[in-house]
Amino acid sequence: KNQVEQSPQSLIILEGKNCTLQCNYTVSPFSNLRWYKQDTGRGPVSLTIMTFSENTKSNGRYTATLDADTKQSSLHITASQLSDSASYICVVSDRGSTLGRLYFGRGTQLTVWP
Amino acid sequence: EADIYQTPRYLVIGTGKKITLECSQTMGHDKMYWYQQDPGMELHLIHYSYGVNSTEKGDLSSESTVSRIRTEHFPLTLESARPSHTSQYLCASSDRGDEQYFGPGTRLTVT
Repeated sequence: KNQVEQSPQSLIILEGKNCTLQCNYTVSPFSNLRWYKQDTGRGPVSLTIMTFSENTKSNGRYTATLDADTKQSSLHITASQLSDSASYICVVSDRGSTLGRLYFGRGTQLTVWP
Repeated sequence: EADIYQTPRYLVIGTGKKITLECSQTMGHDKMYWYQQDPGMELHLIHYSYGVNSTEKGDLSSESTVSRIRTEHFPLTLESARPSHTSQYLCASSDRGDEQYFGPGTRLTVT
């Protein structure tokens, strides 16, 4: 069964600190993995996309890693800001569907305190 | 930011009422989607469309229906709302790739 598991479920950190969010998946065949940021009451917005051959990709203070062999990804946030408070969702796409079938994790709820 | 819009943003309605959630996109995308999301849970696909006059049911069984008469418009209708329909509904669209652009969502509460 294709699944995406994220940990931790929730996380509280102080402003300026770093944190790492984890994503494990069993989706096959694999096409790509995206990390989305979803602010409260808003729709998800894509942060990064990684294909099978990519190990690391950065977007400002966000750095995603991918280990396609172990089917694990992480999202590292550097020097956190209050505006980073949101749900971070790991989304994996399979290669076999013309629809672009997406498998969603439940997200990690990040809270940044001043 | 993606040009995809949803109205209303919030809706509180009584049981048995008929409701239509609107979704429009100005990007010319052929594919459009409706997701249902409960707090702390993953998004579940309830409907999708490949293009005009094409609609399909998603993974999560839903009593809602959709239509796609125009490329830019993908409304979702509940004929008779029930408290179990209380949820957040997210609309999305994509072009030939699989990146989906999401609208801001409609928070529906059925009393």
